[in-house]
Amino acid sequence: NAGVTQTPKFQVLKTGQSMTLQCAQDMNHEYMSWYRQDPGMGLRLIHYSVGAGITDQGEVPNGYNVSRSTTEDFPLRLLSAAPSQTSVYFCASSYSPGTESYEQYFGPGTRLTVT
Amino acid sequence: AQSVAQPEDQVNVAEGNPLTVKCTYSVSGNPYLFWYVQYPNRGLQFLLKYITGDNLVKGSYGFEAEFNKSQTSFHLKKPSALVSDSALYFCAVRVNSGSARQLTFGSGTQLTVLP
Repeated sequence: NAGVTQTPKFQVLKTGQSMTLQCAQDMNHEYMSWYRQDPGMGLRLIHYSVGAGITDQGEVPNGYNVSRSTTEDFPLRLLSAAPSQTSVYFCASSYSPGTESYEQYFGPGTRLTVT
Repeated sequence: AQSVAQPEDQVNVAEGNPLTVKCTYSVSGNPYLFWYVQYPNRGLQFLLKYITGDNLVKGSYGFEAEFNKSQTSFHLKKPSALVSDSALYFCAVRVNSGSARQLTFGSGTQLTVLP
């Protein structure tokens, strides 16, 4: 299994540009989520999905959109990039959200810089 | 609301000495507690979890953690530190919170093991 994959690894955007961060998993996990990691703040949840066709907002959703058309893929879209969105973005997946005991598997991250 | 505190931004320990990375939590209900490790430029890797049962949990790479309900703590420990243990460590908590069941992370503790 490839686990959780993310593309691209690095990206530089200008303010106002849009882009999509890709995330895919091959473990048939129902639950997928996007986090951003900023120094001294740990990981903060942006959006999550409990299954195909179902998404919801996390702690810091503003400026981001998601969709979940398949179990495998969970792309994150930046609508109009702002310097405050400079961060490292991690995608994660786990088994059914109804089973809190399952740990999340993380992708390698996308380092985004907005100038 | 659930929260996690990692009171130390940085922990330094000599190789061969025991190490402790502290974590306290605040939740309503029974917590599910996790430790993750992040090596430079990598995603988070699962180390161990507490769901129920024995308060001492053993995980990967010789790490263990002790759940203390009265002190609401879940400290990570290792009897003999290795230089290769140097990394960023995150504590996280999860509860049954409606449909969210979100994972809340602490701010992270940078562990440096000195040769």
